[in-house]
Amino acid sequence: DQQVKQNSPSLSVQEGRISILNCDYTNSMFDYFLWYKKYPAEGPTFLISISSIKDKNEDGRFTVFLNKSAKHLSLHIVPSQPGDSAVYFCAASAIAGKLIFGQGTTLQVKP
Amino acid sequence: NAGVTQTPKFQVLKTGQSMTLQCAQDMNHEYMSWYRQDPGMGLRLIHYSVGAGITDQGEVPNGYNVSRSTTEDFPLRLLSAAPSQTSVYFCASSYSGLAEPYNEQFFGPGTRLTVL
Repeated sequence: DQQVKQNSPSLSVQEGRISILNCDYTNSMFDYFLWYKKYPAEGPTFLISISSIKDKNEDGRFTVFLNKSAKHLSLHIVPSQPGDSAVYFCAASAIAGKLIFGQGTTLQVKP
Repeated sequence: NAGVTQTPKFQVLKTGQSMTLQCAQDMNHEYMSWYRQDPGMGLRLIHYSVGAGITDQGEVPNGYNVSRSTTEDFPLRLLSAAPSQTSVYFCASSYSGLAEPYNEQFFGPGTRLTVL
């Protein structure tokens, strides 16, 4: 049973516009959420995170929103740049040291 | 710092062979994990460790063994390779402290394994 789901396998946006990547989870024990970015032939790299006691966290062009009642989080990238083209994974944690990842969403930003 | 290193980068095995994927980190992280990445399945947790001598199963542990005798190393053993274990394997480590971001895992470059 997939506890973290990213239902959109791919997303294409125009450079300069907003990219919104979505993630749903089923386990109400998750208390910390992270987004990772992955380029081909490389390991994932950390992008931004949010604690379950918050509903928003910003870091430059990246903002993560958390809706606990809906068990939903989203990553907003504004403005999107061609270098943002990558696979984005959301991940959730309930136990120290244990992260559960979603399936990933491939973002393509067109110049 | 080298960060998280994985060897080998590529490996081809025959069904039934065994092998060990090596993972090492030099950041003095307590937590280490192994994931496999398959198309459409994302990153699935195989095993993880919260310190030397302590390991636990993840989402897909069958067919894999781990041990953690030192803080730095976390090898993954395939006991009898099967074609279903063809995948890209990632090792990761993270800090166990109380400052955010919690569980920020640093990943190695991956090992691409093919089982024929």
